[in-house]
This record gives sequence, C-alpha cells and structure tokens, in this order.
Amino acid sequence: EVQLVESGGGSVQPGGSLRLSCAASGFTFSSHAMSWVRQAPGKGLEWVSVISGSGGTTYYADSVKGRFTISRDNSKNTLLLQMNSLRAEDTAVYYCAKPYSAWYVWDYWGQGTLVTVSS
Amino acid sequence: EIVLTQSPGTLSLSPGERATLSCRASQSVSSNYLTWYLQKPGQPPRLLIYGASSRATGIPDRFSGSGSGTDFTLSINRLEPEDFAVYYCQQYGSSPPTFGPGTKVDIK
Repeated sequence: EVQLVESGGGSVQPGGSLRLSCAASGFTFSSHAMSWVRQAPGKGLEWVSVISGSGGTTYYADSVKGRFTISRDNSKNTLLLQMNSLRAEDTAVYYCAKPYSAWYVWDYWGQGTLVTVSS
Repeated sequence: EIVLTQSPGTLSLSPGERATLSCRASQSVSSNYLTWYLQKPGQPPRLLIYGASSRATGIPDRFSGSGSGTDFTLSINRLEPEDFAVYYCQQYGSSPPTFGPGTKVDIK
C-alpha cells in the first residue's frame, strides 16, 4: 500500500525557515518524480516544486523560487522541502504527492502538514 | 502561465441528479493534458480524470471528462452522497502546472 507521511510543519515568524519531510513507502520511490503541492487555508491548490526520481532535475513555482529547495534521499525513501525566508503568504497545508503517469498528475497524496507563518 | 476558470462556483444538487462542471483555460491546453480532482474537507485531493477524459484507477464510470483546447467538462451521473465535495481542474500541458479555483458541489 502506498503511503506518504509528511512532517515538519509548524509555526514560524516571517523570515524564518522550516524543513518539511515526506516519508514514502509501498512503491519504488527512486523511480518516481515527486512533488510538493500546497493549499492555503480555505483556498485552492498550488503546485510548489517537483524533483526527478534521481534528484538531478528540479523545478519550482515562481512564488517560491530562490527561497525553497526540494531534495530527496532515495536511500531513506524521503522527500524534503527546505523553506527559507518564509512569508505570510506561504501559510498553507503542504502535501507531498506521487505521480500517476506524467510528472504532474498525482494519484497519491499525503495527509499534509500545516505551515503557519505569522508574527 | 495558463489560468483556469471554473464554473459555476457552487452547484446545488440532489443525490441522483447529474452534475456538469466547466473548466476554461486562458490558452489552449497542450495535448489536452487536463485533470480533475475531488477534495473533501480535511482530506487531500483524489485524482478522478487525467488526459481530459481518462478515468484514474478505481474511479466509477459515473464520472466522465470531455473537452479539448480551452474548454473542458466533468460530468457526474447520478450523484452519490460521497460525491458532494469540491472539484478542481488542473492543466499539466504547460509549465507551471496550474489549478482552477474549484467548484463546490453541495446538497440541495
């Protein structure tokens, strides 16, 4: 059974940093690109970042480029998101997501971890 | 980036009725790379349709997707109680992938 479990969310002041993790199981992790998708409270969905299966290719939404870094540890089946220079508008539930076919079609999602950026 | 607009914002229907949801793109979606997701409160999204019209694994055939270019439709025949939720369309034909604002289907 595929499982994705996010952790690392919490409350942080503007300008602060957080590191999110997503523990994956039930599939060959290294064979799949993985994404982070976020959802602000009561709002819609926003793709944040993707990383290839090998970790050699990464892409970011313009809203987080230069502040967030996606990475992965295939030996530990773990996806990471380092978030720096956090802003109030980064407040959201952050989901890790596994692709179904194309990189940007996701069939498995974690339950999400809430990041709150507030002074 | 491609902007997706969904209509209506809210659709009030009764169980057993048919729902028709619209998703319009600001420019043509390459290869009709469009998905539909369903999301219930407190849960992550669930993939329903990809490639505009292909049902994902395990999705019942009362869900169907259609459309091409800039206009896409999700139809739900005979609404079941578990179908009342928010529905998002998403395009992945151009980078970055983008989502529509959602259509809420609630019980009339």
